[in-house]
Amino acid sequence: EIVLTQSPATLSLSPGERATLSCRASQSVRSSLAWYQQRPGQAPRLLIFDVSNRATGIPARFSGSGSGTDFTLTISSLEPEDFAVYYCQQRNNWPLLGTFGQGTKVEI
Amino acid sequence: EVQLVQSGAEVKKPGEALKISCKGSGQSFTRHWIGWVRQKPGQGLEWMGIIYPGDSNTRYSPAFRGQVTISADRSVTTAYLQWSSLKASDTAIYYCARVYGDYALDHWGQGTLVTVSS
Repeated sequence: EIVLTQSPATLSLSPGERATLSCRASQSVRSSLAWYQQRPGQAPRLLIFDVSNRATGIPARFSGSGSGTDFTLTISSLEPEDFAVYYCQQRNNWPLLGTFGQGTKVEI
Repeated sequence: EVQLVQSGAEVKKPGEALKISCKGSGQSFTRHWIGWVRQKPGQGLEWMGIIYPGDSNTRYSPAFRGQVTISADRSVTTAYLQWSSLKASDTAIYYCARVYGDYALDHWGQGTLVTVSS
């Protein structure tokens, strides 16, 4: 089973700063990696799929990059509503969905 | 617009049975796989299984096979997650979500909190 390791566990930043979140896979997931945002008390929301494609309605300040085993989610300038937990997820062999990383909390 | 509306919070005792639901809007419900995801208190996300409501084809994560049953009724555009005998360790929020591109989850229900306590 592919394991996703996210770092750091917690990122303490201020509004307007740039956030860089990492997701590392135990083996190559090629280009099948997604990112989700979960605000307190809310369901997760898909931000990015296939490494770098923003989901519908996601602001341009969110971007994804990487390949193989190392991936990054970048938030170019943090807005107050961006303080949340972020998860990465990889694609396993269909019809099995892939595992999630353990999450990175972005806090003020 | 795709909407998934889940049933309300449940409080159950160990050993009791439970079935929670996820109702989808629109005809597209039967043309997309629906996944179930568990989130234990203060923890991360775990996918449990997926179902294709069009024909009820179902797949389970190895960690959840035999522990839960996923089903669907296309006539009422609803997917279900059920337990025959709950344990305290089943206490969690359970989300349903639509599968997009064979792995991502692009539309989510609001979640159902299941509390199992004696």
